[in-house]
Amino acid sequence: DGGITQSPKYLFRKEGQNVTLSCEQNLNHDAMYWYRQDPGQGLRLIYYSQIVNDFQKGDIAEGYSVSREKKESFPLTVTSAQKNPTAFYLCASRRSGTAYNSPLHFGNGTRLTVT
Amino acid sequence: GENVEQHPSTLSVQEGDSAVIKCTYSDSASNYFPWYKQELGKRPQLIIDIRSNVGEKKDQRIAVTLNKTAKHFSLHITETQPEDSAVYFCATYHSGGGADGLTFGKGTHLIIQP
Repeated sequence: DGGITQSPKYLFRKEGQNVTLSCEQNLNHDAMYWYRQDPGQGLRLIYYSQIVNDFQKGDIAEGYSVSREKKESFPLTVTSAQKNPTAFYLCASRRSGTAYNSPLHFGNGTRLTVT
Repeated sequence: GENVEQHPSTLSVQEGDSAVIKCTYSDSASNYFPWYKQELGKRPQLIIDIRSNVGEKKDQRIAVTLNKTAKHFSLHITETQPEDSAVYFCATYHSGGGADGLTFGKGTHLIIQP
């Protein structure tokens, strides 16, 4: 939907397990982002990538890891080191990470529940 | 780094009335100001944006105003309808600023009362 596909929509994991969230885009966008959304917290940036094989930590990167081996794909791994992993995760992309008027396009999100 | 404050956190208006959501920012280098709408359980979607060289932009019932001197911008929705109920996020883009240059406000939950 909108060129960005996140899967799965709902994900359940046991505490202590790593889990990987998928994000694929066919918009030919250079920049990709992962945000975490909690009630009342807005959108908090986890990691972003402005180009293949390069990525940067956002505001809340601890306990997460990413890779950007292909332009179309930016998977996020939630590791067992993340203390409060239960949240709604949104992937997004932009045509360019540096073009000021390049709006973000979001995927439909993955709701992760860890028990 | 940039700091974006968004108010109010919750706004309830009668159907047909107007709604105004305000954001202030700290970095005078910010030059692009988008607004996103997120319906319950869905992804945020861009509804309107404004560049720093423009003071106002309108799209049907939605308008955004920007005051660069005071560093604030506002979203105005007129003749509100039930489908306007959602969470609205403001954001700023600041060239060369921290992370990737985008900073979001914490959101406003707009409730349209029938």
